[in-house]
Amino acid sequence: QVQLVQSGAEVKKPGASVKVSCKVSGHSLTELSIHWVRQALGKGLEWMGGFDPEDGETFYAQKLQGRVTLTEDTSADTAYLELSSLRSEDTAMYFCTTRRYTGAYLYYFDSWGQGTLVTVSS
Amino acid sequence: DIQMTQSPSSLSASVGDTVAISCRASQHITYYLNWYQQKPGKAPKLLIHAASSLQSGVPSRFSGSGSGTNFTLTINSLQPEDFAIYYCQQSYSIFYTFGQGTKLEIK
Repeated sequence: QVQLVQSGAEVKKPGASVKVSCKVSGHSLTELSIHWVRQALGKGLEWMGGFDPEDGETFYAQKLQGRVTLTEDTSADTAYLELSSLRSEDTAMYFCTTRRYTGAYLYYFDSWGQGTLVTVSS
Repeated sequence: DIQMTQSPSSLSASVGDTVAISCRASQHITYYLNWYQQKPGKAPKLLIHAASSLQSGVPSRFSGSGSGTNFTLTINSLQPEDFAIYYCQQSYSIFYTFGQGTKLEIK
């Protein structure tokens, strides 16, 4: 059973950057496809991006392109989300999740981290 | 991006009722549709994948149907633990998108 444990809450000023970690256990990170989803307080879920191991590419949501970077340290089984040029509307809970592939191009998100609250405030 | 629209946005029901939540995609997505349940302060939980396949461990009172652009999540005989927010999500495009959510409240 895959477990994802995220880093703790962050408070950042507008214009700064934040880096959130997602530590994987129960599986090697190299066998997983980690994606990131965020949720502003009281709002819905927004996919941010993720790694597609089938073609080795990282995909990002268009609205975040240029500000978000996803990386992985496979030796530490840890994935990272970095978001730059923070603004107040980036205040949200950030989740890492594993994308599962079951064949016939079918994908879903099954295991989730506990979430990391990022607050952007001056 | 593919837009996902859920209806209703909120729903009141009683324990024992049967409810249905709709999800419409802005383009044809065949059966690449997943449903999640989210409770306050928790991460989402997968209920249904591929429009109608029940995730392991999820009670059989949950069911999904539909294909193309119109999908439905049905919950039979509501239990107290089912009051939560439900989201649909398309996996047709890797630029994944979620519906805005349906809040299921106790009447």
